[in-house]
Amino acid sequence: DAKTTQPPSMDCAEGRAANLPCNHSTISGNEYVYWYRQIHSQGPQYIIHGLKNNETNEMASLIITEDRKSSTLILPHATLRDTAVYYCIVRVADYGQNFVFGPGTRLSVLP
Amino acid sequence: EPEVTQTPSHQVTQMGQEVILRCVPISNHLYFYWYRQILGQKVEFLVSFYNNEISEKSEIFDDQFSVERPDGSNFTLKIRSTKLEDSAMYFCASSRTGGTGYTFGSGTRLTVV
Repeated sequence: DAKTTQPPSMDCAEGRAANLPCNHSTISGNEYVYWYRQIHSQGPQYIIHGLKNNETNEMASLIITEDRKSSTLILPHATLRDTAVYYCIVRVADYGQNFVFGPGTRLSVLP
Repeated sequence: EPEVTQTPSHQVTQMGQEVILRCVPISNHLYFYWYRQILGQKVEFLVSFYNNEISEKSEIFDDQFSVERPDGSNFTLKIRSTKLEDSAMYFCASSRTGGTGYTFGSGTRLTVV
């Protein structure tokens, strides 16, 4: 089973920031927090990952709480193309480890 | 940007037939994976493959399934005798190290009739 808890759905207005929460209270010290998204029935797309520091890339920012029990993915200016299912996954960053997907959060960006 | 390529995009097969799904992983990747997603359900791990052998497999990956890397570029998933419940999207993925290089293909939709 997935080790994370996410709200099943969220709405966000186009152009506003989308903040997607994730709880991972049982995360281990060597586990990273990964975010992927799946647009319609396409393959999951990597967004960002982090261990304990906040991370930012061209797609999003990842804020991890100091106790590492929860995190937030931030899409700073959501567009209609960001409508997707977003998955938060905790995983060790070893070679060959598989991802355990939960149901994720279905984000709907509204015009 | 490098991509994982899967063919065909859609495959229809009769129950009991063998089917082979094909994937071309990213060229410098060393780890290869298959996942599946039944319509409306979660993405599920099937198998991982490294150094020409299976490194991990799930309960779903039973004797009906096999994987092969027949040459330096392709990675295949074979289902020996398809069942109706094998109908799903099948995603191939590959990785080099850790998680940043872990890339999924766009999937093959398998329909068993």
